Amino acid sequence: AQSVTQLDSQVPVFEEAPVELRCNYSSSVSVYLFWYVQYPNQGLQLLLKYLSGSTLVESINGFEAEFNKSQTSFHLRKPSVHISDTAEYFCAVTDANAGGTSYGKLTFGQGTILTVHP
Amino acid sequence: ETGVTQTPRHLVMGMTNKKSLKCEQHLGHNAMYWYKQSAKKPLELMFVYNFKEQTENNSVPSRFSPECPNSSHLFLHLHTLQPEDSALYLCASSQVGYGYTFGSGTRLTVV
Repeated sequence: AQSVTQLDSQVPVFEEAPVELRCNYSSSVSVYLFWYVQYPNQGLQLLLKYLSGSTLVESINGFEAEFNKSQTSFHLRKPSVHISDTAEYFCAVTDANAGGTSYGKLTFGQGTILTVHP
Repeated sequence: ETGVTQTPRHLVMGMTNKKSLKCEQHLGHNAMYWYKQSAKKPLELMFVYNFKEQTENNSVPSRFSPECPNSSHLFLHLHTLQPEDSALYLCASSQVGYGYTFGSGTRLTVV
């Protein structure tokens, strides 16, 4: 079984400040890791993912996340946030060798609400 | 548009009504999912379908009845719901290793 812990339920920051949203996971097998973003009254959108290769992955809108296997973490960072980044962010994990009934099934954290103030 | 379409976007129903939520994807994905998202609670996985076969039912009450007629369509049939069933119902599809593609959700209110 896998689990995901997002350490902060709410993160308020000022515009243009840096931000880090923390995510730790627990798994006995190799994993793929994801960050999703949810804007108000919308579904979840994939922000970035780690499957293999470089442990630092980036999104097109300036977010990045680093996979740290020894610390079982996948923290999300942005050096300078915008008002438009205000949303809820979800970290998720799946078994990298999924098959059968666990075919790609994701386990989600509880979400972190990022609020960017002017 | 994400490639996963959910209808309706909003639904208000009485406790004695019967309604259905629809989800459609043409991404060629083989797995489809229903999630429930309630305020102040984590996402709850309800059902998983792989290649049209239900592979997971997370102790969901029988007043929720899923149907997957083909790999592109997924329904959630609702009957005799309770007010605590009011939530955002999210459909997603996936291929293994690529994460989910979510629909925009159906905001359900039970009155």
